[in-house]
Amino acid sequence: QQQVKQSPQSLIVQKGGISIINCAYENTAFDYFPWYQQFPGKGPALLIAIRPDVSEKKEGRFTISFNKSAKQFSLHIMDSQPGDSATYFCAAISGTYKYIFGTGTRLKVLA
Amino acid sequence: GAGVSQTPSNKVTEKGKYVELRCDPISGHTALYWYRQSLGQGPEFLIYFQGTGAADDSGLPNDRFFAVRPEGSVSTLKIQRTERGDSAVYLCASRGTGTGHNEQFFGPGTRLTVL
Repeated sequence: QQQVKQSPQSLIVQKGGISIINCAYENTAFDYFPWYQQFPGKGPALLIAIRPDVSEKKEGRFTISFNKSAKQFSLHIMDSQPGDSATYFCAAISGTYKYIFGTGTRLKVLA
Repeated sequence: GAGVSQTPSNKVTEKGKYVELRCDPISGHTALYWYRQSLGQGPEFLIYFQGTGAADDSGLPNDRFFAVRPEGSVSTLKIQRTERGDSAVYLCASRGTGTGHNEQFFGPGTRLTVL
């Protein structure tokens, strides 16, 4: 119930391509779904987040698509750049405390 | 303004020793979290403080782990009788209140290695 399942584990994309990372959850009490970006040796940093009353949110090249009925959400990175190479984590939260993180996706964008 | 800071950045210790990891949250943030991140995994929740009190310590793996936040600002995660399985990156995050209050800001972590 508390898990957030994330796929794929790793992803290689050509520069300019679209990167897509998927997450699924079970707990319908989750009410906030952030995506974090983590570079080696650094802590996770918030990239974009969505609430379940919205089906899509776009910020620059980053878009979250949210399917409440399927209990799935995904991150799309348009025009992927080598600087986007990092590990991406989806997460879910209920109320105002602890995040439940996915297992992470290591993205590599080839120049 | 300064972000969340954690010290030390790296800690190497021997099995059975005691360690303390420190977190300085963003000034004014009342909520503080500790997470543990094992290699290739997402962060796992350990404990959450609201002010000085531990509001949720359900993620602490056993009684060798303990955390304090005596003045509602700096927090210390304490691990007794360390084991090799405790090796991980320990992340601290803080959260403010008001609009966007769900966002947690993470520090760079302390990499703990137990030999």
